Amino acid sequence: AQSVTQLGSHVSVSEGALVLLRCNYSSSVPPYLFWYVQYPNQGLQLLLKYTSAATLVKGINGFEAEFKKSETSFHLTKPSAHMSDAAEYFCAVKAQAGAGSYQLTFGKGTKLSVIP
Amino acid sequence: NAGVTQTPKFRILKIGQSMTLQCTQDMNHNYMYWYRQDPGMGLKLIYYSVGAGITDKGEVPNGYNVSRSTTEDFPLRLELAAPSQTSVYFCATSGGTGGAEKLFFGSGTQLSVL
Repeated sequence: AQSVTQLGSHVSVSEGALVLLRCNYSSSVPPYLFWYVQYPNQGLQLLLKYTSAATLVKGINGFEAEFKKSETSFHLTKPSAHMSDAAEYFCAVKAQAGAGSYQLTFGKGTKLSVIP
Repeated sequence: NAGVTQTPKFRILKIGQSMTLQCTQDMNHNYMYWYRQDPGMGLKLIYYSVGAGITDKGEVPNGYNVSRSTTEDFPLRLELAAPSQTSVYFCATSGGTGGAEKLFFGSGTQLSVL
């Protein structure tokens, strides 16, 4: 079964510093991987997705993630944190739900705080 | 376009009461999902649907029921509310073949069972 593990339930960075949120996956087949962001009192929205076309994936708001098969990782980065990046971030993997249908299996989330 | 609309936004139930969480979409997506979100636990899939008239269980279906009579609507029913069902519930939709390529989420229903 496909799954993802997010390392660190809470990460704090200073404004302007590098953001690094960690995600490792477990999958017996080439995975489709996603990062979603949840701002307070809102639903989740897609930041970026990896579907095997390119190992470095660029998303919205300056975020990017690199798929590393040798490390089974899909870490999310942003060179310079902004106050508006404070949110909870979820890594997810596309997993079989039923015959011919799929669902997303989510990690437990990492809450990002940005310190002014 | 409203996207995915969930009602109500907040609700307090007493143990044993029942209620229906409503989810409506105007995106003409075949795939619809109900997730629950508990602090520090991520999102868990309750039920999903691949189209009108077709539903199936997810990871945590006990205590819930769903129906999908139209493409637009996917209500989630709690028959006998229990404190363990205190959570934030999210409805999501997806298009494409097989679903789950990109999920569009509603803004959630915060439910407390006391």
